[in-house]
Amino acid sequence: EAGVAQSPRYKIIEKRQSVAFWCNPISGHATLYWYQQILGQGPKLLIQFQNNGVVDDSQLPKDRFSAERLKGVDSTLKIQPAKLEDSAVYLCASSLVPTGEETQYFGPGTRLLVL
Amino acid sequence: ELKVEQNPLFLSMQEGKNYTIYCNYSTTSDRLYWYRQDPGKSLESLFVLLSNGAVKQEGRLMASLDTKARLSTLHITAAVHDLSATYFCAVDIEATNKLIFGTGTLLAVQP
Repeated sequence: EAGVAQSPRYKIIEKRQSVAFWCNPISGHATLYWYQQILGQGPKLLIQFQNNGVVDDSQLPKDRFSAERLKGVDSTLKIQPAKLEDSAVYLCASSLVPTGEETQYFGPGTRLLVL
Repeated sequence: ELKVEQNPLFLSMQEGKNYTIYCNYSTTSDRLYWYRQDPGKSLESLFVLLSNGAVKQEGRLMASLDTKARLSTLHITAAVHDLSATYFCAVDIEATNKLIFGTGTLLAVQP
């Protein structure tokens, strides 16, 4: 079974530029998550989708971050404009069901460095 | 606000020794997850604990959950170098699958 795919794996940009990340979840997984992991910390949930609808985006800095999952499969996370403090690893995860009986499966992440 | 605290934050141990990592959380939850993260890698699921008193074991690792004490433990038996990694616990808020992660425990097993 293929895992969660993410691209790009690394990205270096200057502050105030924009950047986009892509995620393809495990086939059949209806729930998709984006996390931000700052160096030395645990992941922090940014947004949770159920199919193509947003379940929770309370931690998403909506003035600069946006995310979509138009067809209920792939998802993109965008940052515009980027700030220095956005430097982190952005992890995408998916799960089969939204109710927590099974674990979330994480992708390899995109490492973002904002200069 | 839910807080998830792990201790210790850093653990250096010798091969063959036993040790326990603790995960405390500040609100009621019946669901707790343990993940492993190797340097530069993503998170790998280790255990899913879904009820009070749940105990799961895989190899040299055993995890347990006490929901009344709001405490989970990850016990390492006869550590080997391959177990060196960062271990995270994560708590599910209100069965929504919204996970709050702990601070992580960096485990270094010395030969």
